Amino acid sequence: DTGVSQDPRHKITKRGQNVTFRCDPISEHNRLYWYRQTLGQGPEFLTYFQNEAQLEKSRLLSDRFSAERPKGSFSTLEIQRTEQGDSAMYLCASSLIGGEAFFGQGTRLTVV
Amino acid sequence: QQQVKQSPQSLIVQKGGISIINCAYENTAFDYFPWYQQFPGKGPALLIAIRPDVSEKKEGRFTISFNKSAKQFSLHIMDSQPGDSATYFCAASTQGGSEKLVFGKGTKLTVNP
Repeated sequence: DTGVSQDPRHKITKRGQNVTFRCDPISEHNRLYWYRQTLGQGPEFLTYFQNEAQLEKSRLLSDRFSAERPKGSFSTLEIQRTEQGDSAMYLCASSLIGGEAFFGQGTRLTVV
Repeated sequence: QQQVKQSPQSLIVQKGGISIINCAYENTAFDYFPWYQQFPGKGPALLIAIRPDVSEKKEGRFTISFNKSAKQFSLHIMDSQPGDSATYFCAASTQGGSEKLVFGKGTKLTVNP
């Protein structure tokens, strides 16, 4: 499978715990994006990377959220001190510069 | 402030019919307009996309119509099939590609057999 891969697919965590999600983009894609999608809504942009550089962060990305793409390949999204409002589907996508974005299947986070 | 408004919220059509979903945008700097299809539990999948230098783009049964002056674009699904039942999202971005896509709220399409 050469598409965008996300791990885990589902995560249930207790409020206050830290969680980390991983995204492996399509191998030749130099751009990687994170989005958040809540039930009944469209995806909302969180942040994106070009190679290892984080080029933009949304105001939705509070200080509890951090994303990295250390070697310009895979990326991680960490949420510290999770809150119930963080429950959502976290989507990763990748693209070439100026190209179409291809999404992974997402990580569904449930904070209890 | 929602930058891309999508309607209707839900749509039911009969097999073989035409499904039409509309989107309107406010930001005149938008220059890339993709449509995504999403099945339950899956990530969005790109269906078709258009840039404002053309007024229509067709790929198979899917057509985007684009009206720059009205700041509106729509997706037409011809000969709708039960397998087309999914949620459809329009989106827009300002940099000619997929950077910082702004999505509509989605349309849940049901195609009855």
